[in-house]
Amino acid sequence: GAGVSQSPSNKVTEKGKDVELRCDPISGHTALYWYRQSLGQGLEFLIYFQGNSAPDKSGLPSDRFSAERTGGSVSTLTIQRTQQEDSAVYLCASSRSGMNTYEQYFGPGTRLTVT
Amino acid sequence: EDKVVQSPLSLVVHEGDTVTLNCSYEVTNFRSLLWYKQEKKAPTFLFMLTSSGIEKKSGRLSSILDKKELFSILNITATQTGDSAVYLCAVEAGSARQLTFGSGTQLTVLP
Repeated sequence: GAGVSQSPSNKVTEKGKDVELRCDPISGHTALYWYRQSLGQGLEFLIYFQGNSAPDKSGLPSDRFSAERTGGSVSTLTIQRTQQEDSAVYLCASSRSGMNTYEQYFGPGTRLTVT
Repeated sequence: EDKVVQSPLSLVVHEGDTVTLNCSYEVTNFRSLLWYKQEKKAPTFLFMLTSSGIEKKSGRLSSILDKKELFSILNITATQTGDSAVYLCAVEAGSARQLTFGSGTQLTVLP
């Protein structure tokens, strides 16, 4: 069945360049989350979208990070002026509603490498 | 298609009980298996397992991997109400090192 998809699966970029990561949530899921996992560390919450409400951006590490969710479906995470410490796996998850973690379905992730 | 299956989906126990959570997987080019505890916004990393038969232990939690039978278990002894959470299992696999998550086990520990 159709799960959460992310693209690209791998991205290598030079320091200082901007990157865009895409997430397609499961159809009908109103909640969408972005996380990142750095090498040797656990998942770090970045941002949460719920329906038409203002997103919870409390996890974004700096103003170089931003995310949009168009039409309540596809989301794009943008990192401007990438730094080497941005290298990580960026994971997207969606759920039917709310912050019920039990229902979160994770995508395969985008592995970002900043050289 | 890579698969990670966790069981049970939910579990209710009383304080002091011991629980065993299961995670089985079918993936191509296995690299590692990770366990997380999720209570709030982001899952908390518990263990990373790469080798069979080597138990990882942290306090009352322990985990072991069986790469022949393709599963892992997470044990929690002397459970406390603070152990109530969703426990997620994820497998890192393939040349792209993608993560596949299980659906999680919802653990509720009653006083």
